[in-house]
Amino acid sequence: SQTIHQWPATLVQPVGSPLSLECTVEGTSNPNLYWYRQAAGRGLQLLFYSVGIGQISSEVPQNLSASRPQDRQFILSSKKLLLSDSGFYLCAWSEWGRSTDTQYFGPGTRLTVL
Amino acid sequence: AQTVTQSQPEMSVQEAETVTLSCTYDTSESDYYLFWYKQPPSRQMILVIRQEAYKQQNATENRFSVNFQKAAKSFSLKISDSQLGDAAMYFCAYRAIIQGAQKLVFGQGTRLTINP
Repeated sequence: SQTIHQWPATLVQPVGSPLSLECTVEGTSNPNLYWYRQAAGRGLQLLFYSVGIGQISSEVPQNLSASRPQDRQFILSSKKLLLSDSGFYLCAWSEWGRSTDTQYFGPGTRLTVL
Repeated sequence: AQTVTQSQPEMSVQEAETVTLSCTYDTSESDYYLFWYKQPPSRQMILVIRQEAYKQQNATENRFSVNFQKAAKSFSLKISDSQLGDAAMYFCAYRAIIQGAQKLVFGQGTRLTINP
């Protein structure tokens, strides 16, 4: 069966520091991968998605970037964090080529920028 | 652009009773998919149920069912025999296809409280 991991689970970082959040998927090949952010008490906003290694699409211009160095690895980064980057970050995957398939979410990372 | 609206920020129901959560959406597509996700206090998003727009039959998963009204662009979730474990945020989502990848557009969520 497929599983999705995210780490760290919780992170507290000062303003201006770098960020690296990692997401990995097991049990599937060439998945579509997604990064979402959820502000407190709000719905999810899609940040980035990837349909293959090295292929990244950005939904919202901002202080963050994403990379996909391996088939089942998706990384969210920032060179300098802003206070507004605080939130809950969720990674998700769906099966490649299956337009009907569902997105499945990881456990998330709670990021607090002070 | 597709939008999803959940007009009920909070709902409450007595344990064992039935509750309906509302969702409306806006799209110009004729074929699409709709989802309900549950987010318990752990904050992990869990799929509850999904509906394919080309199917007229409403989806059902155990105690969870939907009332899909395509013409009205309405997609409500009914929870029967509510249990304490159903307490969570519930998000309605619309799936769009962009450059071969799925994009989920979420509503703002409804917080469901179950009263014992």
